[in-house]
Amino acid sequence: GAVVSQHPSWVICKSGTSVKIECRSLDFQATTMFWYRQFPKQSLMLMATSNEGSKATYEQGVEKDKFLINHASLTLSTLTVTSAHPEDSSFYICSARVRRGGAYEETQYFGPGTRLLVL
Amino acid sequence: KQEVTQIPAALSVPEGENLVLNCSFTDSAIYNLQWFRQDPGKGLTSLLLIQSSQREQTSGRLNASLDKSSGRSTLYIAASQPGDSATYLCAVRNRDDKIIFGKGTRLHILP
Repeated sequence: GAVVSQHPSWVICKSGTSVKIECRSLDFQATTMFWYRQFPKQSLMLMATSNEGSKATYEQGVEKDKFLINHASLTLSTLTVTSAHPEDSSFYICSARVRRGGAYEETQYFGPGTRLLVL
Repeated sequence: KQEVTQIPAALSVPEGENLVLNCSFTDSAIYNLQWFRQDPGKGLTSLLLIQSSQREQTSGRLNASLDKSSGRSTLYIAASQPGDSATYLCAVRNRDDKIIFGKGTRLHILP
């Protein structure tokens, strides 16, 4: 199956700093990637949809100026949490849709997640 | 707005028992439904994906059913093992391509 990686797997930072999380599709082209956030004992909540070469589409309630998403290539999307605060501490997971031969597969493949702790 | 509910929130059963996890969704206009497993502090592992036109999917000891008209799905685990202990997430893919997750069922298999 398709593999999605995330880096880093966990990060601790001070309040006010910015943190960048990378999401890579290792063996396929991912024209669309999705970013989710998961708080403890909660479900995954979709934050934004990222399309290669265009601006991301954010879900209601997600601050686009705080969570900067860049999808500069077919294999890489980045999420930057700007001026992070303790309430941004969460588990961030990306996923990618597989596109082969011009058609989308049904399955989304998920990365292993990045745990962010803001002190 | 699509809402996905999973019952129970937590479940403990002795090893060897068969068990059923439930998932319901409010909007039946879905592309597919997927069951995932999530171990503590880890990412998601896809278990089964059921297309909207399908009724069930099977993989080993796992069987997932889908009744789209009633907005329900079940995940059946046969002969449970301690290694099955994890959180099981149900997710539906809407017509707008967004995937909506339930809060999950935390399963604990007692040795």
